[in-house]
Amino acid sequence: QKEVEQDPGPLSVPEGAIVSLNCTYSNSAFQYFMWYRQYSRKGPELLMYTYSSGNKEDGRFTAQVDKSSKYISLFIRDSQPSDSATYLCAANQAGTALIFGKGTTLSVSS
Amino acid sequence: DGGITQSPKYLFRKEGQNVTLSCEQNLNHDAMYWYRQDPGQGLRLIYYSQIVNDFQKGDIAEGYSVSREKKESFPLTVTSAQKNPTAFYLCATHGDTDTQYFGPGTRLTVL
Repeated sequence: QKEVEQDPGPLSVPEGAIVSLNCTYSNSAFQYFMWYRQYSRKGPELLMYTYSSGNKEDGRFTAQVDKSSKYISLFIRDSQPSDSATYLCAANQAGTALIFGKGTTLSVSS
Repeated sequence: DGGITQSPKYLFRKEGQNVTLSCEQNLNHDAMYWYRQDPGQGLRLIYYSQIVNDFQKGDIAEGYSVSREKKESFPLTVTSAQKNPTAFYLCATHGDTDTQYFGPGTRLTVL
C-alpha cells in the first residue's frame, strides 16, 4: 500500500461547480499536509499547507485534514476554467521528504 | 527574482549518452530534491541532499548521479545506465516550514 493514495480521475465539472478532491494516507506520524496545483508541462506550485488536523481557507479553496480517519480533502468553490490542472496531495513528518499522491486531473468547462 | 531555476527546459539525448540537468536556487534552502514524473506515475524521488557535500538515494536512484558542491546548486546526471530516461524532471527545495518548492522542470527525451 502506498503511503498516500489519490484517485487519478479525470474529473470533469461545469464552471461554477463545487469540486471535492480527496486523498487518504497510511502513516499516522504525518503532521504536514499540502496541496499542489500543476498545469501541463509546468512545475507544481504550492496551493495549500496545513499542519495537523483542521480546516484552512484561502479564497475559493479550503483544505481539510482529518487525522482520525487519515483523510485529506481540497474543496474548490465556484470553479473556473483556469482551475483546470492536476492537483497533487502530499504529506510528511518534520524534516523529511514529502510523500505525494499520484495526482487528480481536473477539467472545468465553461 | 528569487526561486528555483532549471535548465535546459527541453533536452534530447541519444542512446548511450550521459546528460546533466541543472538546478539552481537562491532561496537559501538547505535541502534539495530531484523527482521524476511520468504520466500516471506521480512524482518519484531520485536523490535528495540535506546539506552541502552530502546526498542520499531516493526510490529510483539507479542510472542517476548527483553532486552538491554548493548550497545553491544540485545538478543531476542521467547516465547511459538509465534504460528509460524519457520523463519530466523536477527539482525542489525544502523550506523551514516543511513545504517544498518546485522549479519549472526539464523535459528529457531520448532519441
